[in-house]
Amino acid sequence: NAGVMQNPRHLVRRRGQEARLRCSPMKGHSHVYWYRQLPEEGLKFMVYLQKENIIDESGMPKERFSAEFPKEGPSILRIQQVVRGDSAAYFCASSPQQNTEAFFGQGTRLTVV
Amino acid sequence: GDSVTQMEGPVTLSEEAFLTINCTYTATGYPSLFWYVQYPGEGLQLLLKATKADDKGSNKGFEATYRKETTSFHLEKGSVQVSDSAVYFCALSDLANNAGNMLTFGGGTRLMVKP
Repeated sequence: NAGVMQNPRHLVRRRGQEARLRCSPMKGHSHVYWYRQLPEEGLKFMVYLQKENIIDESGMPKERFSAEFPKEGPSILRIQQVVRGDSAAYFCASSPQQNTEAFFGQGTRLTVV
Repeated sequence: GDSVTQMEGPVTLSEEAFLTINCTYTATGYPSLFWYVQYPGEGLQLLLKATKADDKGSNKGFEATYRKETTSFHLEKGSVQVSDSAVYFCALSDLANNAGNMLTFGGGTRLMVKP
Protein backbone atom coordinates (compact mmCIF):
# COMPACT_ATOMS: atom_id res chain seq x y z
CA ASN A 1 0.00 0.00 0.00
CA ALA A 2 1.76 3.10 -1.23
CA GLY A 3 1.79 6.09 1.03
CA VAL A 4 0.41 9.53 0.28
CA MET A 5 1.92 10.62 -3.02
CA GLN A 6 2.50 14.26 -3.83
CA ASN A 7 3.82 15.64 -7.06
CA PRO A 8 5.79 17.39 -8.12
CA ARG A 9 8.28 17.32 -5.26
CA HIS A 10 9.73 20.64 -6.38
CA LEU A 11 8.00 23.30 -8.42
CA VAL A 12 9.40 26.60 -9.63
CA ARG A 13 7.06 29.26 -10.94
CA ARG A 14 7.53 32.86 -12.01
CA ARG A 15 5.42 35.55 -10.42
CA GLY A 16 2.00 35.65 -12.00
CA GLN A 17 1.97 32.03 -13.16
CA GLU A 18 -0.29 29.29 -11.86
CA ALA A 19 0.83 26.45 -9.61
CA ARG A 20 -0.95 23.09 -9.45
CA LEU A 21 -0.04 20.71 -6.68
CA ARG A 22 -1.32 17.13 -6.71
CA CYS A 23 -2.00 14.73 -3.89
CA SER A 24 -2.99 11.09 -4.25
CA PRO A 25 -4.19 9.80 -0.88
CA MET A 26 -3.46 6.35 0.43
CA LYS A 27 -5.67 3.60 -0.94
CA GLY A 28 -8.99 3.56 0.85
CA HIS A 29 -8.60 7.09 2.24
CA SER A 30 -11.36 9.51 1.34
CA HIS A 31 -10.34 12.42 3.59
CA VAL A 32 -7.61 14.82 2.48
CA TYR A 33 -6.00 17.75 4.29
CA TRP A 34 -3.64 20.40 2.92
CA TYR A 35 -1.12 22.25 5.07
CA ARG A 36 1.39 24.97 4.29
CA GLN A 37 4.80 25.29 5.90
CA LEU A 38 6.48 28.64 5.50
CA PRO A 39 10.29 28.71 5.91
CA GLU A 40 11.35 28.05 9.51
CA GLU A 41 7.73 27.80 10.68
CA GLY A 42 5.31 25.09 11.65
CA LEU A 43 2.56 23.74 9.46
CA LYS A 44 -0.65 25.68 9.11
CA PHE A 45 -3.93 24.02 8.16
CA MET A 46 -5.40 25.19 4.87
CA VAL A 47 -8.29 23.00 3.78
CA TYR A 48 -10.05 19.70 4.52
CA LEU A 49 -11.79 17.83 1.72
CA GLN A 50 -13.77 14.68 1.37
CA LYS A 51 -14.53 13.18 -2.02
CA GLU A 52 -16.12 15.95 -4.12
CA ASN A 53 -16.75 18.14 -1.06
CA ILE A 54 -14.91 20.89 0.75
CA ILE A 55 -15.56 20.34 4.44
CA ASP A 56 -13.49 23.14 5.96
CA GLU A 57 -11.52 25.81 4.13
CA SER A 58 -11.02 28.14 7.05
CA GLY A 59 -7.25 28.20 6.53
CA MET A 60 -7.30 29.03 2.84
CA PRO A 61 -6.39 32.55 1.71
CA LYS A 62 -9.51 34.22 0.34
CA GLU A 63 -8.05 34.93 -3.08
CA ARG A 64 -6.03 33.00 -5.64
CA PHE A 65 -6.15 29.66 -3.76
CA SER A 66 -8.55 26.82 -4.48
CA ALA A 67 -8.71 23.10 -3.81
CA GLU A 68 -10.66 20.16 -5.15
CA PHE A 69 -10.90 16.43 -4.59
CA PRO A 70 -12.84 14.94 -7.49
CA LYS A 71 -14.57 11.59 -7.50
CA GLU A 72 -11.77 10.22 -9.64
CA GLY A 73 -8.16 11.32 -9.50
CA PRO A 74 -5.97 13.17 -7.07
CA SER A 75 -6.72 16.18 -4.93
CA ILE A 76 -5.47 19.42 -6.51
CA LEU A 77 -4.35 22.57 -4.73
CA ARG A 78 -4.32 25.42 -7.23
CA ILE A 79 -2.63 28.76 -6.72
CA GLN A 80 -3.31 31.40 -9.33
CA GLN A 81 -1.05 34.37 -10.05
CA VAL A 82 1.61 33.25 -7.62
CA VAL A 83 3.61 35.77 -5.62
CA ARG A 84 6.92 35.37 -3.80
CA GLY A 85 5.12 35.00 -0.49
CA ASP A 86 3.55 31.77 -1.74
CA SER A 87 6.96 30.10 -1.66
CA ALA A 88 6.60 27.33 0.91
CA ALA A 89 6.32 23.60 1.37
CA TYR A 90 2.79 22.31 0.86
CA PHE A 91 1.91 19.06 2.56
CA CYS A 92 -1.02 16.80 1.98
CA ALA A 93 -2.32 14.28 4.49
CA SER A 94 -5.02 11.64 4.17
CA SER A 95 -7.07 9.51 6.53
CA PRO A 96 -9.59 6.70 6.03
CA GLN A 97 -12.23 8.21 8.29
CA GLN A 98 -13.02 11.53 9.86
CA ASN A 99 -11.30 11.15 13.21
CA THR A 100 -8.50 8.72 12.54
CA GLU A 101 -4.78 9.21 12.13
CA ALA A 102 -3.73 11.20 9.10
CA PHE A 103 -0.68 10.16 7.07
CA PHE A 104 1.46 12.82 5.42
CA GLY A 105 3.01 12.97 2.01
CA GLN A 106 6.55 14.20 1.39
CA GLY A 107 5.37 17.61 0.33
CA THR A 108 5.75 19.88 -2.67
CA ARG A 109 8.26 22.67 -2.32
CA LEU A 110 7.08 25.67 -4.31
CA THR A 111 9.55 28.39 -5.19
CA VAL A 112 8.30 31.57 -6.80
CA VAL A 113 10.97 33.55 -8.63
CA GLY B 1 -8.80 29.14 19.36
CA ASP B 2 -6.53 26.18 19.77
CA SER B 3 -2.79 26.71 19.96
CA VAL B 4 0.42 24.80 20.59
CA THR B 5 3.60 26.30 21.98
CA GLN B 6 6.89 24.49 21.95
CA MET B 7 10.38 25.49 22.91
CA GLU B 8 12.39 27.23 20.28
CA GLY B 9 15.45 25.62 18.89
CA PRO B 10 17.86 24.70 17.83
CA VAL B 11 18.59 22.24 20.58
CA THR B 12 22.13 20.92 20.30
CA LEU B 13 23.11 17.81 22.25
CA SER B 14 25.92 15.32 22.32
CA GLU B 15 25.20 11.71 21.52
CA GLU B 16 23.72 9.75 24.46
CA ALA B 17 22.52 12.93 26.19
CA PHE B 18 19.02 13.24 27.67
CA LEU B 19 16.47 15.08 25.56
CA THR B 20 13.47 17.14 26.63
CA ILE B 21 11.44 19.27 24.24
CA ASN B 22 8.69 21.18 26.00
CA CYS B 23 5.21 21.49 24.56
CA THR B 24 2.14 23.17 26.04
CA TYR B 25 -1.25 23.58 24.49
CA THR B 26 -4.52 25.50 24.68
CA ALA B 27 -7.71 23.81 23.58
CA THR B 28 -11.42 24.12 24.21
CA GLY B 29 -12.25 20.45 24.48
CA TYR B 30 -10.28 17.29 25.10
CA PRO B 31 -7.73 17.12 22.34
CA SER B 32 -5.58 14.29 21.13
CA LEU B 33 -1.89 15.15 21.23
CA PHE B 34 0.85 14.19 18.83
CA TRP B 35 4.55 14.47 18.16
CA TYR B 36 5.67 14.44 14.55
CA VAL B 37 9.25 14.27 13.26
CA GLN B 38 10.51 15.78 10.03
CA TYR B 39 13.87 14.62 8.70
CA PRO B 40 15.69 16.90 6.24
CA GLY B 41 13.88 17.14 2.91
CA GLU B 42 11.15 14.77 4.02
CA GLY B 43 7.52 14.95 5.06
CA LEU B 44 6.17 14.50 8.56
CA GLN B 45 6.12 11.16 10.26
CA LEU B 46 3.99 10.45 13.30
CA LEU B 47 6.32 9.69 16.19
CA LEU B 48 3.84 9.10 18.99
CA LYS B 49 0.43 10.14 20.24
CA ALA B 50 -1.85 10.20 23.28
CA THR B 51 -5.61 10.54 23.20
CA LYS B 52 -6.56 11.18 26.81
CA ALA B 53 -5.21 12.53 30.06
CA ASP B 54 -2.37 10.54 31.69
CA ASP B 55 -1.82 8.48 28.53
CA LYS B 56 1.82 7.94 27.66
CA GLY B 57 2.80 7.69 24.03
CA SER B 58 6.08 5.99 23.19
CA ASN B 59 8.04 4.98 20.12
CA LYS B 60 11.71 4.46 19.21
CA GLY B 61 12.82 5.37 22.72
CA PHE B 62 10.83 8.63 22.74
CA GLU B 63 8.09 9.19 25.32
CA ALA B 64 5.53 11.87 26.10
CA THR B 65 2.81 11.94 28.75
CA TYR B 66 -0.49 13.79 28.35
CA ARG B 67 -0.71 16.09 31.37
CA LYS B 68 -4.11 17.73 31.52
CA GLU B 69 -3.40 19.62 34.75
CA THR B 70 -0.43 21.41 33.20
CA THR B 71 -1.73 21.26 29.59
CA SER B 72 1.60 19.80 28.52
CA PHE B 73 2.97 17.00 26.36
CA HIS B 74 6.74 17.19 26.72
CA LEU B 75 8.86 14.91 24.54
CA GLU B 76 11.70 12.98 26.21
CA LYS B 77 14.36 10.51 25.23
CA GLY B 78 16.93 9.05 27.57
CA SER B 79 19.82 8.76 25.12
CA VAL B 80 19.78 10.54 21.77
CA GLN B 81 21.60 9.40 18.65
CA VAL B 82 22.96 11.35 15.70
CA SER B 83 20.18 9.82 13.61
CA ASP B 84 17.62 11.62 15.82
CA SER B 85 18.68 14.96 14.32
CA ALA B 86 15.49 16.37 12.83
CA VAL B 87 12.73 18.90 13.45
CA TYR B 88 10.11 17.85 15.98
CA PHE B 89 6.56 19.19 15.92
CA CYS B 90 4.03 19.02 18.70
CA ALA B 91 0.41 19.05 17.49
CA LEU B 92 -3.15 18.64 18.67
CA SER B 93 -6.44 17.61 17.18
CA ASP B 94 -9.48 19.03 18.93
CA LEU B 95 -12.74 17.38 17.94
CA ALA B 96 -14.72 19.99 19.87
CA ASN B 97 -13.49 22.67 17.51
CA ASN B 98 -13.48 20.99 14.15
CA ALA B 99 -15.32 18.35 12.22
CA GLY B 100 -12.35 16.34 11.13
CA ASN B 101 -8.84 15.54 12.04
CA MET B 102 -7.27 18.90 11.41
CA LEU B 103 -4.08 19.38 13.31
CA THR B 104 -2.83 22.51 15.01
CA PHE B 105 0.96 22.52 15.04
CA GLY B 106 3.58 24.17 17.16
CA GLY B 107 6.40 26.02 15.46
CA GLY B 108 8.79 23.08 15.53
CA THR B 109 12.04 22.46 17.40
CA ARG B 110 15.19 21.60 15.51
CA LEU B 111 17.35 18.98 17.26
CA MET B 112 20.99 18.60 16.33
CA VAL B 113 22.89 15.69 17.85
CA LYS B 114 26.67 15.74 17.61
CA PRO B 115 28.82 12.61 17.75
